[in-house]
Amino acid sequence: QSALTQPPSASGSPGQSVTISCTGSSSDIGGYNYVSWYQQHPGKAPKLMIYEVSKRPSGVPDRFSGSKSGNTASLTVSGLQAEDEADYYCCSYAGINNYYVFGIGTRVTVL
Amino acid sequence: EVQLVESGGGLVQPGGSLRLTCAVSGFSFSSYWIHWVRQAPGKGLVWVSEIEGDGTTTHYVDFVKGRFTISRDNARNTLYLQMNNLSDEDTAVYYCVRGGAPNALDYWGQGTLVTVSS
Repeated sequence: QSALTQPPSASGSPGQSVTISCTGSSSDIGGYNYVSWYQQHPGKAPKLMIYEVSKRPSGVPDRFSGSKSGNTASLTVSGLQAEDEADYYCCSYAGINNYYVFGIGTRVTVL
Repeated sequence: EVQLVESGGGLVQPGGSLRLTCAVSGFSFSSYWIHWVRQAPGKGLVWVSEIEGDGTTTHYVDFVKGRFTISRDNARNTLYLQMNNLSDEDTAVYYCVRGGAPNALDYWGQGTLVTVSS
């Protein structure tokens, strides 16, 4: 099972928005509404930011939003803040043979 | 407070074995699927394995099948990952993660580093 495709980097100035794409196939993203997104700061454990494509866990700011169209999911961070600078990984359930597949990760830089 | 604390990592020679442990607190351990996810140095996240709350169902990524075994002791609130026939490609930080959201991973441990090297 190949990793989901994400752009290696994305950037924006404080207050701007940045959108990260995550492309898979009909066997993963396109086949299930089980896309999640994780934020990871250097040297830290990942943190769940979005689950089931667009739901936010308690405590995650509403600046973070998720969506999906076909085989591509997206994470948008609005009103960028310095603390949003991190690596972001998408993940999709991929069925009973492949279970879970992560994206390769996108480094978000706040300019 | 939900906590997952991994231990057992270290340096092991190629072909060797290691058992990772994850001690859990702050939630009803037996009610949740628990996963192992790994991250090689400077690389991305890779899902490794999961185990159902009662321990009866387990799943693995293809490249660890037959080498890794996930298990749990619900009486001790502890998760295990027995890793055999290790290769340098298994070098990574291994995270213990709760499957608390539908098909998502909501609480992560701090990770334990496994280094496979001669």
